Amino acid sequence: QSVLTQPPSVSGAPGQRVTISCTGSSSNIGAGYDVHWYQQLPGTAPKLLIFGNNNRPSGVPVRFSASRSGTSASLAITGLQAEDEADYYCQSYDSSLSGWVFGGGTKLTVL
Amino acid sequence: QVQLQQSGPGLVKPSQTLSLTCVISGESVSSNIAGWHWIRQSPSRGLEWLGRTYYTSKWYNDYAVSVKSRTTINPDTSKNEFSLQLNSVTPEDTAIYYCAREDLGSGLDAFDIWGQGTMVTVSS
Repeated sequence: QSVLTQPPSVSGAPGQRVTISCTGSSSNIGAGYDVHWYQQLPGTAPKLLIFGNNNRPSGVPVRFSASRSGTSASLAITGLQAEDEADYYCQSYDSSLSGWVFGGGTKLTVL
Repeated sequence: QVQLQQSGPGLVKPSQTLSLTCVISGESVSSNIAGWHWIRQSPSRGLEWLGRTYYTSKWYNDYAVSVKSRTTINPDTSKNEFSLQLNSVTPEDTAIYYCAREDLGSGLDAFDIWGQGTMVTVSS
């Protein structure tokens, strides 16, 4: 029961586009706090993928983009590649909890 | 570039104290543009933020409400590291524990650097 809600899984064929949603509330995303996205490959630590709603750290392909609206945000991956198969997490700050919060994670399968 | 290297025991007995250390290279723990966090991950609780320490003229700490009463995060400027102590552990505290850096300078609250993670099992 994570504070931010994500679908448990999504899938797509190579070359396709997939989106992962992240639903929050008025005390986090809806309050205007930034949403960040992480990619976690098996057996490794999460890696910052998107920060400040739609900014990519150096080295992250332009295939990854994000957006937000109201109390929700989404991550889009275009031109799916096999190497994109991983778990993806959204993260924000929550004023009611006075702390950082994460989504439950979405497992992306590349068919 | 900044790197975080974690160390600590992988097995802790119930009711005892979990202690982990995160050594920082490439930046000072006293940097006023970085916050130093502990986060854990388990199948039942997902990713869970535990707390942070940071320095801006003096040291500050913030803790998650869920663990505040039994958590301490301390910086050690002589060793350029920070530590996590979680008291009175139960099997529910079994998780992978990560240290992470927050870029305070950007004003964003994202974690841009992570440690390698330490699997901690609470069991007798």
